[in-house]
Amino acid sequence: GENVEQHPSTLSVQEGDSAVIKCTYSDSASNYFPWYKQELGKRPQLIIDIRSNVGEKKDQRIAVTLNKTAKHFSLHITETQPEDSAVYFCAAGLSGTYKYIFGTGTRLKVLA
Amino acid sequence: DAGITQSPRHKVTETGTPVTLRCHQTENHRYMYWYRQDPGHGLRLIHYSYGVKDTDKGEVSDGYSVSRSKTEDFLLTLESATSSQTSVYFCATVSGITDTQYFGPGTRLTVL
Repeated sequence: GENVEQHPSTLSVQEGDSAVIKCTYSDSASNYFPWYKQELGKRPQLIIDIRSNVGEKKDQRIAVTLNKTAKHFSLHITETQPEDSAVYFCAAGLSGTYKYIFGTGTRLKVLA
Repeated sequence: DAGITQSPRHKVTETGTPVTLRCHQTENHRYMYWYRQDPGHGLRLIHYSYGVKDTDKGEVSDGYSVSRSKTEDFLLTLESATSSQTSVYFCATVSGITDTQYFGPGTRLTVL
């Protein structure tokens, strides 16, 4: 069935360093790729998304890249801060169907 | 937060008892979802709804049923709770105009 693999499962970085989280999807028809941040005890919240007609999207310190050929997409966080510590989830779906497959999550720890 | 509330927020119950979780939204979003979140598994779709009285199964639907009699309410029922259904349950909505998915605050269910 459709699947989204996410790596790494945990990631520790020093404050100010960059963090990269990678996802691979199996359904070549997928064209919508959101990323969610979930702080401890809170709900997942959308932080950035990308569609397959775009290769890269940036929003301040956060960027997402997409390689459709390899079916990979990645989240990049630059100049990490302690408040970036959270669990991050990637997802893949087909725009208009409103069904999404989630990755298993990456726990990011930013060390002060 | 798209005006999503879940009730109850916490529940402890015993094996074999029926349990109903409620999701209520105020934004008139067409699509509603129930996910469960377990360590190492990310967010897995239980059931979703694409309109009043229109529902479909997700990847982990066994042991769960849903109902949607009004746009704003989506109920998840565990007919006979088992310990394997101990989890955090999230409701989510999508407007159908955009792909953005909004999550409720979650319900922590413990089945003893």
